[in-house]
Amino acid sequence: EAGVTQFPSHSVIEKGQTVTLRCDPISGHDNLYWYRRVMGKEIKFLLHFVKESKQDESGMPNNRFLAERTGGTYSTLKVQPAELEDSGVYFCASSQLRTSGTDTQYFGPGTRLTVL
Amino acid sequence: RKEVEQDPGPFNVPEGATVAFNCTYSNSASQSFFWYRQDCRKEPKLLMSVYSSGNEDGRFTAQLNRASQYISLLIRDSKLSDSATYLCVVNDLQAGTALIFGKGTTLSVSS
Repeated sequence: EAGVTQFPSHSVIEKGQTVTLRCDPISGHDNLYWYRRVMGKEIKFLLHFVKESKQDESGMPNNRFLAERTGGTYSTLKVQPAELEDSGVYFCASSQLRTSGTDTQYFGPGTRLTVL
Repeated sequence: RKEVEQDPGPFNVPEGATVAFNCTYSNSASQSFFWYRQDCRKEPKLLMSVYSSGNEDGRFTAQLNRASQYISLLIRDSKLSDSATYLCVVNDLQAGTALIFGKGTTLSVSS
């Protein structure tokens, strides 16, 4: 079974430009999460989709970040315009939908974003 | 105060050594606890869940003390392949299913 995939693996852009990250979750996983690790800091939650709906976006840093999951399959995270502090590794994770408790979140390899 | 605190290390140990990592969490409402392993420039991977009764998986033993809000991971008979960063992770299901990570503890096992 294929794992969580993310594209691109690396992106280098200039401040003010736009970047779109993509995540393909494990097939059949309704939960999709975005996390980010900024250099020297811990991995932090950004937002959570259940199918195509945003369940929790409390971790989104500001309105320059827009996440979508049309059709409840893959998700995109757009940063527009990018700022220097947006540099970091963006991880996507997916898990099965459970009515209670928590299911294992499987992480993708991440997209390493560098804003110059 | 950080939600999840870990000693960053690095812990440098010889093969065969026993090493213990500790972690504290600030939210007493936390309900699920995990140790993830992250290799350099790779994604985090679940190592084991942590239960109140303590649990063991081969050379790895995890313990949880809810009263002290403390989690531990013990690795026995360290292997070179155990070299990685170990992430302490908690979750408050009432607040959602998002994971809350510590910064990680780096382990380096040498021959």
